[in-house]
Amino acid sequence: EIVLTQSPDFQSVTPKEKVTITCRASQNIGTSLHWYQQKPDQSPKLLIKYASQSISGVPSRFSGSGSGTDFTLTINSLEVEDAATYYCHQSSSLLTFGGGTKVEIK
Amino acid sequence: QVQLVESGGGVVQPGGSLRLSCAESGFTFSNYGMHWVRQAPGTGLEWVAFIRYDGSYKYYADSVKGRFTISRDNSKNTLYLQMNSLRAEDTAVYYCAKDGNQYDSSGSYFDYWGQGTLVSVSS
Repeated sequence: EIVLTQSPDFQSVTPKEKVTITCRASQNIGTSLHWYQQKPDQSPKLLIKYASQSISGVPSRFSGSGSGTDFTLTINSLEVEDAATYYCHQSSSLLTFGGGTKVEIK
Repeated sequence: QVQLVESGGGVVQPGGSLRLSCAESGFTFSNYGMHWVRQAPGTGLEWVAFIRYDGSYKYYADSVKGRFTISRDNSKNTLYLQMNSLRAEDTAVYYCAKDGNQYDSSGSYFDYWGQGTLVSVSS
């Protein structure tokens, strides 16, 4: 099973600050890595697919990068509405999720 | 627009069974693989099962293999999850999710999610 390790587990950030979340895979997964946002009491929402491909309707401040084993989700100029838990997910071999990163607004 | 609506959750005793359903609309259901993903209270997401667009191929997380069965009825645009031999650790919100790629045989990303249905396994 491919294990995804996210860091940090928790981040407290002020509005307009830049946020960087990393996801490390236990083996090479190419670009089969996707990112989701989940707000409290809501279903997850797709933010980025295949490491860096943008999704229609998702604000441009969200971007992804990486390949192989190391990936990054970046939120440029954080907004209050971005308070949520963020998950990475790989589809290279079976399907697994990272443990999540909770982003809180200071 | 795409809509996924789960139903069938509830409280069940350990060792019991439950069948979840997910009704789909707003897209050509028979062209897409479908997934079940669960989330135990206060924890992260866990992928549970995938079924190919035509129902010919299914695979499961090790934690549910042999106990859960995923199926679909393309004539009714409905996805199912039959859960047997339920355990306390199966307690979770269960989401159905649409695969992002048409005709994908092994599952990729989840582009739409239902609102979830809560399954509670308790005596």
